[in-house]
Amino acid sequence: GDSVTQMEGPVTLSEEAFLTINCTYTATGYPSLFWYVQYPGEGLQLLLKATKADDKGSNKGFEATYRKETTSFHLEKGSVQVSDSAVYFCALSGGFQKLVFGTGTRLLVSP
Amino acid sequence: DTEVTQTPKHLVMGMTNKKSLKCEQHMGHRAMYWYKQKAKKPPELMFVYSYEKLSINESVPSRFSPECPNSSLLNLHLHALQPEDSALYLCASSPGQGRLDTQYFGPGTRLTVL
Repeated sequence: GDSVTQMEGPVTLSEEAFLTINCTYTATGYPSLFWYVQYPGEGLQLLLKATKADDKGSNKGFEATYRKETTSFHLEKGSVQVSDSAVYFCALSGGFQKLVFGTGTRLLVSP
Repeated sequence: DTEVTQTPKHLVMGMTNKKSLKCEQHMGHRAMYWYKQKAKKPPELMFVYSYEKLSINESVPSRFSPECPNSSLLNLHLHALQPEDSALYLCASSPGQGRLDTQYFGPGTRLTVL
């Protein structure tokens, strides 16, 4: 079945450092790919998405490119802020109304 | 506007109580979802309503009873819950576009069962 694998956390960075959170997937067909962010005590917010190969999703300085050849959708940000501290979930949708989530990666950014 | 609202924000209930969680969206979405999220875990799908009909039930115990009164509202009725049911309950909605569908989540209800 479909699955998503994320890097283990926590990822600990200093403010203004470069961020990469790795995400790879296994799916039949051509899924849509998503990054969701969850701040402490809150629900999930859609951060960005991509629906086909080579699409780049971007939002709030975050970017991820849908790489079909490597089945990856890595999340990147050039300069993180303390306010980016949160849990980040990579997810895919192959249709059929089901999102398949990765395990989540906690990001901790210190001043 | 991509807002999904949920009430209440917090709920504490005993094992013999009956309570309900509410979810609302005004984006014209035709699919609505209930998820359960335990600490440090991703959300787990419980139910999906599509065009106001239950389309997916992920083998959820009958002490959880969903209801979709209309296309904008989704309820989750709770009865005789167990302490292990304590979790964050998330509602989501989506336009209903197959592979291109995007789910938008509400802020959640933090449920504690005593």
